[in-house]
Amino acid sequence: QKEVEQDPGPLSVPEGAIVSLNCTYSNSAFQYFMWYRQYSRKGPELLMYTYSSGNKEDGRFTAQVDKSSKYISLFIRDSQPSDSATYLCAMENTGNQFYFGTGTSLTVIP
Amino acid sequence: GAGVSQSPRYKVAKRGQDVALRCDPISGHVSLFWYQQALGQGPEFLTYFQNEAQLDKSGLPSDRFFAERPEGSVSTLKIQRTQQEDSAVYLCASSLAHTGDGEQYFGPGTRLTVT
Repeated sequence: QKEVEQDPGPLSVPEGAIVSLNCTYSNSAFQYFMWYRQYSRKGPELLMYTYSSGNKEDGRFTAQVDKSSKYISLFIRDSQPSDSATYLCAMENTGNQFYFGTGTSLTVIP
Repeated sequence: GAGVSQSPRYKVAKRGQDVALRCDPISGHVSLFWYQQALGQGPEFLTYFQNEAQLDKSGLPSDRFFAERPEGSVSTLKIQRTQQEDSAVYLCASSLAHTGDGEQYFGPGTRLTVT
């Protein structure tokens, strides 16, 4: 079993929809949780970074962490065609070791 | 300011050749990471530097892979006697903090194709 599980999609939604992206993990040592956006042939770009359980909001993006269920989510409100990309979840333990999901490919249709 | 840069952006190597991939991190960033990203997969950790010290190289897939950061700034990932399974995008990331801060900034990657 991989440390981090993420549904690869692809996910296709109409413009303006709410998008929900999810990851599960097995290692309770993970302390830091991140979401990255990766456009084709580019490096990942950090979107959200959270430390504890709960919600964190930044503009149209909300990151949610549930440590008891080992489950994290990213919600995108009012999705735009420019949000079309691959979204990667990532987790870090206290030893500077990062584990990424496989990424979910999202297409927002105008 | 300037982000993380990597060179070359694309590299084609014949099987058995040695390659060297360069990473220029954001100025002042203490931590530097190398990842390997296969097609359709997430990045997989290779190695981690704090300044010039290589603190973790547990992700390097074989002894053909070697990384260095001699002056605590620029880093080079070297792959000796390349094999077809080495074909991937190699990503470099840097972080300001020493530990426990997930805010890594990635470069655009070097796409290595071994023929």
